[in-house]
Amino acid sequence: GEDVEQSLFLSVREGDSSVINCTYTDSSSTYLYWYKQEPGAGLQLLTYIFSNMDMKQDQRLTVLLNKKDKHLSLRIADTQTGDSAIYFCAESFDSWGKLQFGAGTQVVVTP
Amino acid sequence: EAQVTQNPRYLITVTGKKLTVTCSQNMNHEYMSWYRQDPGLGLRQIYYSMNVEVTDKGDVPEGYKVSRKEKRNFPLILESPSPNQTSLYFCASSTGSSYGYTFGSGTRLTVV
Repeated sequence: GEDVEQSLFLSVREGDSSVINCTYTDSSSTYLYWYKQEPGAGLQLLTYIFSNMDMKQDQRLTVLLNKKDKHLSLRIADTQTGDSAIYFCAESFDSWGKLQFGAGTQVVVTP
Repeated sequence: EAQVTQNPRYLITVTGKKLTVTCSQNMNHEYMSWYRQDPGLGLRQIYYSMNVEVTDKGDVPEGYKVSRKEKRNFPLILESPSPNQTSLYFCASSTGSSYGYTFGSGTRLTVV
């Protein structure tokens, strides 16, 4: 089966940029997503990118996709304490079927 | 407000006692899915449904059942729960667009 891998923990100072990395194994994935999970809450879709794109920017979020290396990253500019959460990357072959999730990266923002 | 509603939020039960976790969405989404979340494993799909009366297995379907008799509801049934089903469960729905799934707030199940 497919595997999506992420580092488990990231500590960042408030105001700095955060970069969360993800690698996936299935080159036929069509959609790649970043979800955010705050304590006690469900998953909130942050952003997504199609496999035919290299980069997507949405306010403080920048997603970079390197299809050759099967590497996806999420950069959060000017990280705030409200960005402390678990971030999941996920891949899918279609927009409605199975999402293959990574284990999640716990991001802790320190003052 | 557009949302996916799961009930209950928390449940403690004993081994072998049948239980149902309900899931309802008010967005007229065709696609619905159940996931379980375990530490270090991320989320794994249990079952999904493409429409009324159409369901299929995900990665970890053993010990679970689902039904989709109405478009808005997608209950998860544990006929004989066991301790290894202790987990955080999420229901999600999708319109099939690039926005992917909308998730419920989760149900934390403990089986003793």
